[in-house]
Amino acid sequence: KNQVEQSPQSLIILEGKNCTLQCNYTVSPFSNLRWYKQDTGRGPVSLTIMTFSENTKSNGRYTATLDADTKQSSLHITASQLSDSASYICVVREAGGGADGLTFGKGTHLIIQP
Amino acid sequence: DAGVTQSPTHLIKTRGQQVTLRCSPKSGHDTVSWYQQALGQGPQFIFQYYEEEERQRGNFPDRFSGHQFPNYSSELNVNALLLGDSALYLCASSLPGSSGNTIYFGEGSWLTVV
Repeated sequence: KNQVEQSPQSLIILEGKNCTLQCNYTVSPFSNLRWYKQDTGRGPVSLTIMTFSENTKSNGRYTATLDADTKQSSLHITASQLSDSASYICVVREAGGGADGLTFGKGTHLIIQP
Repeated sequence: DAGVTQSPTHLIKTRGQQVTLRCSPKSGHDTVSWYQQALGQGPQFIFQYYEEEERQRGNFPDRFSGHQFPNYSSELNVNALLLGDSALYLCASSLPGSSGNTIYFGEGSWLTVV
C-alpha cells in the first residue's frame, strides 16, 4: 500500500530560525513529489514539484530535496517568518496512477513564535 | 485570473440531510477533483470529473455523488449526512495530460454535521 509519512508531526521554532521537515514514502512506481503549504482553514498552495531526476528545487526561502533511491524528501525553510506558520503537506504521485494516484501525508504543523 | 473558487465557505447541516457544494475551476482548467480533509489528516480523494463525466473515484460510498457542467464547474452532493462527514471539502483543478501539472486547490468548504 502506498504511504507517505511526515515528521515531525508538529514543530515550534523562533522567528528567524531555520527548520527542516521530512517526508518518507513508499509510493511506487514514482512519478513526482509535491510540497504544499496549507494555512489553517484554507486550501493547500503548491510550493514545489520534483520529478525523479531533480535533487533540489527552491522557491524563495523554501528548498526541497529529493532522494529517489531512499524515497525521502525534505523541505528546508530558511530565516522563518511568522507567516510561515502553517501545515506543510508532502504529496507523492504514482506513475500511471491516474486521478487517485496522489498519496497525501498528514502534514507537519509548523508554528513560528516571535 | 481567478483561481479555484468554492461555495459555500462554511455550512452546518443536520444528520440525515443532504448537502451540495460548488466549485469553479481555475481559468483554462477542465479537470476537477474533490477531496475530503478531516482535521489533522491529509486530503482523501473522492472523485475526479473530466468532460462532464466521473473519470475516477476513490473509496467513498455512493452517498457521495458529483456533476460537472459544460463550463467545467462542478458540484459535490452528499446524501444522508453522517456525523463523520464533517470535514473540509476541497476542490482542485488542473490541466489534463501531464502528471506533472500543478494542481490548484480552492479554499475549501467547511461542513459541520450535527
